[in-house]
Amino acid sequence: EVQLVESGGDLVEPGGSLRLSCAASGFTFSNAWMHWVRQAPGKGLEWVGRIKSKTNGGTIDYAAPVKGRLTISRDDSKNTLFLQMNSLKTEDTAVYYCTTDKVNSGTYYNAFDLWGQGTMVTVSS
Amino acid sequence: QSALTQPASVSGSPGQSITISCTGTSSDVGGYNYVTWYQQHPGKAPKLMIYDVTNRPSGVSNRFSGSKSGNTASLTISGLQAEDEADYYCSSYTSSTAWVFGGGTRLTVL
Repeated sequence: EVQLVESGGDLVEPGGSLRLSCAASGFTFSNAWMHWVRQAPGKGLEWVGRIKSKTNGGTIDYAAPVKGRLTISRDDSKNTLFLQMNSLKTEDTAVYYCTTDKVNSGTYYNAFDLWGQGTMVTVSS
Repeated sequence: QSALTQPASVSGSPGQSITISCTGTSSDVGGYNYVTWYQQHPGKAPKLMIYDVTNRPSGVSNRFSGSKSGNTASLTISGLQAEDEADYYCSSYTSSTAWVFGGGTRLTVL
């Protein structure tokens, strides 16, 4: 079955750290360009960042509000995407989704195709 | 990067058609044909409904269609059904090598 499963969400104090994981199955993860998207409680969606496949250079891009604090990485041998979150702020409280960039025959469509169920991160003292 | 502008809510009766607008700038919606639309039911993950402005992924009903004119994209849902009631988000690739979402539109089927 094609799926993404996020884990690692928790309650953390401001200034703290957390690492989220996203386990992929049912497709060739190493070819996937992966994104993190978050959604604060009762709010809309916000793009966090993207990592390309290693064959496409492994380039990583981040949204301005998280640059320098959140780090995306991947382990293709374990079919897993990561989001290392440091210096957390209360405004980082959200459900974090991992999602794939839609791809067909090597063409990437800048569209968020397969989504996980999300993992909740709460930053509060 | 500012969020794209969507109406907060729209409504329609079963069988009717509705259109949701999504306004950006020449740096996002107007500058690229990478506008996408997502449907999100309460407590669920978003679902891709439209990509590349007008294209539907396999399995998405042809009652959903997308278009764009200048800096404004639109999602039209025809033949409204009860299960269409959800939140809808537009998104666009931007010139900053980033993606921006709209604030979301709550669709109510009367």
